[in-house]
Amino acid sequence: QQQVKQSPQSLIVQKGGISIINCAYENTAFDYFPWYQQFPGKGPALLIAIRPDVSEKKEGRFTISFNKSAKQFSLHIMDSQPGDSATYFCAAKRNSGAGSYQLTFGKGTKLSVIP
Amino acid sequence: DAGITQSPRHKVTETGTPVTLRCHQTENHRYMYWYRQDPGHGLRLIHYSYGVKDTDKGEVSDGYSVSRSKTEDFLLTLESATSSQTSVYFCAISESGGRETQYFGPGTRLLVL
Repeated sequence: QQQVKQSPQSLIVQKGGISIINCAYENTAFDYFPWYQQFPGKGPALLIAIRPDVSEKKEGRFTISFNKSAKQFSLHIMDSQPGDSATYFCAAKRNSGAGSYQLTFGKGTKLSVIP
Repeated sequence: DAGITQSPRHKVTETGTPVTLRCHQTENHRYMYWYRQDPGHGLRLIHYSYGVKDTDKGEVSDGYSVSRSKTEDFLLTLESATSSQTSVYFCAISESGGRETQYFGPGTRLLVL
């Protein structure tokens, strides 16, 4: 119930191509879905996020698509660049009492964008 | 890294010894979290705090304890380190009032021999 399943584990994309990472969840208590980007030796950083009442959110080259009925969401990176090479984590948030919340993370996708 | 420091950044210790990791923030955020990151497992929540002296368990809390005596500091203690606790540990913080962004520290790489 707490799991967030992420695929693929690794992805190689040509420069200028589209990178697509998919996530699926089961717990309907999740109410917010962020994506984090992590470069080697660094902590994860919030990239973009979406609420389940919205089907798509776009910020620059990054787009989240959300399918509430299928309990799936995906990250699309348009015009992928070598600087986008990083590990990407999807996450799902649920409230946990006392005004706090918890994030459950997918296992990550290592993206390599080759020139 | 949003005013978050972690210490030490690297540590090598032996099985059975106690280890304490420190997270310090200068953002005055109410909520603080400890995660571990392992290959093939992503980030898993160990413990979190929703205020001074207020803490709760996460997904993988066995073998870990935490304390928060000041808003700015959140300590993670491995009572008796085991090789399975070799990992990269990240601290995260978030604001109160419904802001859902968690900001992560730079991490501590722990090796238990």
